[in-house]
Amino acid sequence: DTAVSQTPKYLVTQMGNDKSIKCEQNLGHDTMYWYKQDSKKFLKIMFSYNNKELIINETVPNRFSPKSPDKAHLNLHINSLELGDSAVYFCASTRGLAGDNEQFFGPGTRLTVL
Amino acid sequence: AQSVTQLDSQVPVFEEAPVELRCNYSSSVSVYLFWYVQYPNQGLQLLLKYLSGSTLVKGINGFEAEFNKSQTSFHLRKPSVHISDTAEYFCAVSPNAGNNRKLIWGLGTSLAVNP
Repeated sequence: DTAVSQTPKYLVTQMGNDKSIKCEQNLGHDTMYWYKQDSKKFLKIMFSYNNKELIINETVPNRFSPKSPDKAHLNLHINSLELGDSAVYFCASTRGLAGDNEQFFGPGTRLTVL
Repeated sequence: AQSVTQLDSQVPVFEEAPVELRCNYSSSVSVYLFWYVQYPNQGLQLLLKYLSGSTLVKGINGFEAEFNKSQTSFHLRKPSVHISDTAEYFCAVSPNAGNNRKLIWGLGTSLAVNP
């Protein structure tokens, strides 16, 4: 049973297109995250939701819009894709808001913008 | 605010040798400390964490880390590495109070274990 799953695993698209990445967790967690990992492996938090409410919104272009239809799902929609959006995007989840909890990561979505 | 510095971006080591991956942090408040591992083409997974109590923490796959408050360090060690330990290792901290308890990540250390 996959704890945190993401689809698709790979996404290759042209500049200017709009694309979505989906994330689901079956751990019963309340909090979910989107991270961006660049080619140098630097991990940057983008968004976090707790019980469908946005709680972290880092400095991210507003072309990126997260949506949480329920606490088990957190999707990421990206408009007008740019070359610099090429990266691996990870979804993660954790129980509650306390900082002592382990984050569980999905396998990642490798986005390539041509 | 918190920050995390991983002092080595790359660590090459031979199989069965000991290894230490260094992590220093800066924070004006008390923190929780974590090490995560990312195997090639996979997501991250928790190796170990320090919340309180004993400063020596044991994790999965034979790794351990020691919290040193005076030196604000949380170095990761393994006495004998295997080829399968080749991965990216991330140190992270989280404030243990306040509402915004997001993880602050280091830039990662790439461990390459050679035969």
